[in-house]
Amino acid sequence: DAKTTQPNSMESNEEEPVHLPCNHSTISGTDYIHWYRQLPSQGPEYVIHGLTSNVNNRMASLAIAEDRKSSTLILHRATLRDAAVYYCILMGYGQNFVFGPGTRLSVLP
Amino acid sequence: EAGVAQSPRYKIIEKRQSVAFWCNPISGHATLYWYQQILGQGPKLLIQFQNNGVVDDSQLPKDRFSAERLKGVDSTLKIQPAKLEDSAVYLCASSSRGTGFYSEAFFGQGTRLTVV
Repeated sequence: DAKTTQPNSMESNEEEPVHLPCNHSTISGTDYIHWYRQLPSQGPEYVIHGLTSNVNNRMASLAIAEDRKSSTLILHRATLRDAAVYYCILMGYGQNFVFGPGTRLSVLP
Repeated sequence: EAGVAQSPRYKIIEKRQSVAFWCNPISGHATLYWYQQILGQGPKLLIQFQNNGVVDDSQLPKDRFSAERLKGVDSTLKIQPAKLEDSAVYLCASSSRGTGFYSEAFFGQGTRLTVV
């Protein structure tokens, strides 16, 4: 399975944008980039996914580098509820979700 | 839409005892996963079912763990006998993944197992 690298932790102030980076230098052409997050005492929940183009949804935006070797999850205005562990996952055809340790995001009031 | 239901939420057992977890996936979801999450780590896949058939159980410790999916709907995960290192949160997830390989997975809240 392809590997991703994320910072262990990040901090943000409430109502400010947050940029969560993910490196995936060994990504293959058919790997989708998925982001999930896990709130305290909850199971992971889907945030967003993309292949080549930048993606937006009600929760976040996903910016994908032109060479696809990195991506950034963007939370436009962090709230206290966004404090969670964020996982960047590559998923190709026939593969399963392989979670790394993720990035623990702290949001300061 | 009802989410993935798991029970119990918490379980404390002594080592060498047996334990079972239950999962009811979202209605109509063909794919069901069991994950183990040790404190401070990301979830690790134990087993994946497609309908009632096993697709991937390569990381399931088969000497003590077993799982089944009844009639392609509910699933149970059993540990017998439990070891101290089995203390973790056991997460069930389901997806409509069939021909599409990027279907969103929906997770339950998990069962926190403590082995003493």
